[in-house]
Amino acid sequence: DSGVTQTPKHLITATGQRVTLRCSPRSGDLSVYWYQQSLDQGLQFLIQYYNGEERAKGNILERFSAQQFPDLHSELNLSSLELGDSALYFCASSVATASGGALDTQYFGPGTRLTVL
Amino acid sequence: AQTVTQSQPEMSVQEAETVTLSCTYDTSENNYYLFWYKQPPSRQMILVIRQEAYKQQNATENRFSVNFQKAAKSFSLKISDSQLGDTAMYFCAFMKQNQFYFGTGTSLTVIP
Repeated sequence: DSGVTQTPKHLITATGQRVTLRCSPRSGDLSVYWYQQSLDQGLQFLIQYYNGEERAKGNILERFSAQQFPDLHSELNLSSLELGDSALYFCASSVATASGGALDTQYFGPGTRLTVL
Repeated sequence: AQTVTQSQPEMSVQEAETVTLSCTYDTSENNYYLFWYKQPPSRQMILVIRQEAYKQQNATENRFSVNFQKAAKSFSLKISDSQLGDTAMYFCAFMKQNQFYFGTGTSLTVIP
C-alpha cells in the first residue's frame, strides 16, 4: 500500500459526459501528479500540482483540468468524454520541494479505470 | 526532450534464474534520476529501484540491481533468483525537475 488513495476504482460513462477523479496523497506529500495509461501504452504525464499550485503540464488535453485543494487532495476533471479517453488514470504523490529540483520518488495510487461507452 | 526506450516488449525467465531488462534514454541533462517501476496484474505501480545520475555506484535492492552506464545512457535492471511474483510489466522512468518520462514497458513472465 503506497498510501495514495484514488476514488472511484472504476467508472463507466458515456461519450460527451463529464467525470471527476479524486486523489488523496500520502500524508506529508505536497505534490500530486496525474497520469494516463491507455491500453498497451506507457504512462503519459498529464499535470503536476505542488501545494495547491500548478507546477508542470504534460500531454493534458484542453478538455481535461485539475486542481489541488487546501487539504492537498486533488481532482482531475474530464469533460466532453470521447471513446479514446478510456484508460487507467493514476495519481502519484511526492514530498517535492518548492524548487522542484530535489530527488523525489513518486508513489502511485491504485488508479481509476475509466470506460467511455 | 527526454525519451525513454525499452526495446524488449516481452521477456520470460525460468523461476530462480536471472533476467536483465534493458532501458536506454536520451537527454542532454547531466543531473537526473532513473527508476524502475513494476506493474503487476493488479495494475498498481510499485517502485522497484532508483538511481541518481551523479552516483557511479549501481543501485541494489535485494534481488534487484541496475547496471547504469551514464555515457551510454543505459539503465538495465537485473532480477536475480526470479520468483513467480516478479511476473509483471516493468517500466523504466527518467526524472528531471519532478517530471517523469516513462518507457513503454517490458512484460516479464516468470515460468515455474
